[in-house]
Amino acid sequence: DQQVKQNSPSLSVQEGRISILNCDYTNSMFDYFLWYKKYPAEGPTFLISISSIKDKNEDGRFTVFLNKSAKHLSLHIVPSQPGDSAVYFCAASLLTGANSKLTFGKGITLSVRP
Amino acid sequence: DSGVTQTPKHLITATGQRVTLRCSPRSGDLSVYWYQQSLDQGLQFLIQYYNGEERAKGNILERFSAQQFPDLHSELNLSSLELGDSALYFCASNGLAGGGVNTQYFGPGTRLTVL
Repeated sequence: DQQVKQNSPSLSVQEGRISILNCDYTNSMFDYFLWYKKYPAEGPTFLISISSIKDKNEDGRFTVFLNKSAKHLSLHIVPSQPGDSAVYFCAASLLTGANSKLTFGKGITLSVRP
Repeated sequence: DSGVTQTPKHLITATGQRVTLRCSPRSGDLSVYWYQQSLDQGLQFLIQYYNGEERAKGNILERFSAQQFPDLHSELNLSSLELGDSALYFCASNGLAGGGVNTQYFGPGTRLTVL
């Protein structure tokens, strides 16, 4: 049972335009949602997160929106740059004691065309 | 650089063999998580250790085992290897990101190829 779903495997956008990466989840107990970015031959790196009690979090060019009723979140990148080309993983956190358990989606490959 | 180190970077072996992957968490982090990323798959959680003790188990095969040592480094042992075990194996340790968000910091991964 896949609790975090990234249904689109890839996305291609023009440099300077907006990239919108979508993620759906099924478990209403998740307390945080995180986005990770992964370049080839490197480990995933934390990008941005949002608490389940918020509906928006912004950090520079990156904004994450959360729609709890739809169990849907999205990552917006504006403006997109060629260096943003990477795999983006959506992850959901379930706090268990002092540590969080992360459940990841399959990832979306973003290509930003110059 | 996340501060999490993994060795080796690449590993090529044959079916039926056994390998050991090594991970050192960030300084001060007590938790170690192991993940497997196969082709076209997301990050599959395998197992978590916290201060030497197994804390949570995910989709880890019986042929796989792990441990965390007193110096907090961890090893993932994969035995009776099959072709389908070829994957990227990531280790992560727990930490706090900006805003106090409990997150995980990943190592660069070990690419295992089973021939």
